Amino acid sequence: DTAVSQTPKYLVTQMGNDKSIKCEQNLGHDTMYWYKQDSKKFLKIMFSYNNKELIINETVPNRFSPKSPDTAHLNLHINSLELGDSAVYFCASRQGAGDTDEQFFGPGTRLTVL
Amino acid sequence: GQNIDQPTEMTATEGAIVQINCTYQTSGFNGLFWYQQHAGEAPTFLSYNVLDGLEEKGRFSSFLSRSKGYSYLLLKELQMKDSASYLCAAMDSNYQLIWGAGTKLIIKP
Repeated sequence: DTAVSQTPKYLVTQMGNDKSIKCEQNLGHDTMYWYKQDSKKFLKIMFSYNNKELIINETVPNRFSPKSPDTAHLNLHINSLELGDSAVYFCASRQGAGDTDEQFFGPGTRLTVL
Repeated sequence: GQNIDQPTEMTATEGAIVQINCTYQTSGFNGLFWYQQHAGEAPTFLSYNVLDGLEEKGRFSSFLSRSKGYSYLLLKELQMKDSASYLCAAMDSNYQLIWGAGTKLIIKP
């Protein structure tokens, strides 16, 4: 009964390719996030969705496009992959956008661009 | 601007006590979170403080001083499994988390 799941766990691909990472949460939360954690282990927020609507869009190249088909899913599509995109991408969810509950993280997707 | 500072790395001995400090500057404040992240795994929630003082949860305690923009995580009776990174995150007025870079804690026998 995984609370927040991501697929795939590992993704190795060539520069220039397009790839997607999927995230699903079964916690009934309204808010979901995508984070990027690079080799220095710094967690950087990329996007946040609340009830399928984008509420945070940090300075991220427009090659990254999130899509939320429903409140339980937040997918991340990346076009024209670059070497610098190599990192671990974490999906997370929280009950609501305006509360202080903790975030629950998925297991991460380790993306390696060759 | 918004900023979180915590030490990059700390080393402690099994069975001892260690305190990991965190200072924060945010636009508004809705609380301070501590997360634990083992190598190759996802961060997991440890504690949340919004009022001044110490919150104790087993071997782990977290302290907050709002006036000083300061928090610490105290780990007692250290075990080898406590070797991990500890992430401090402050919640701003928009309920968004501002994350520190994490403190890598190394436990030696």
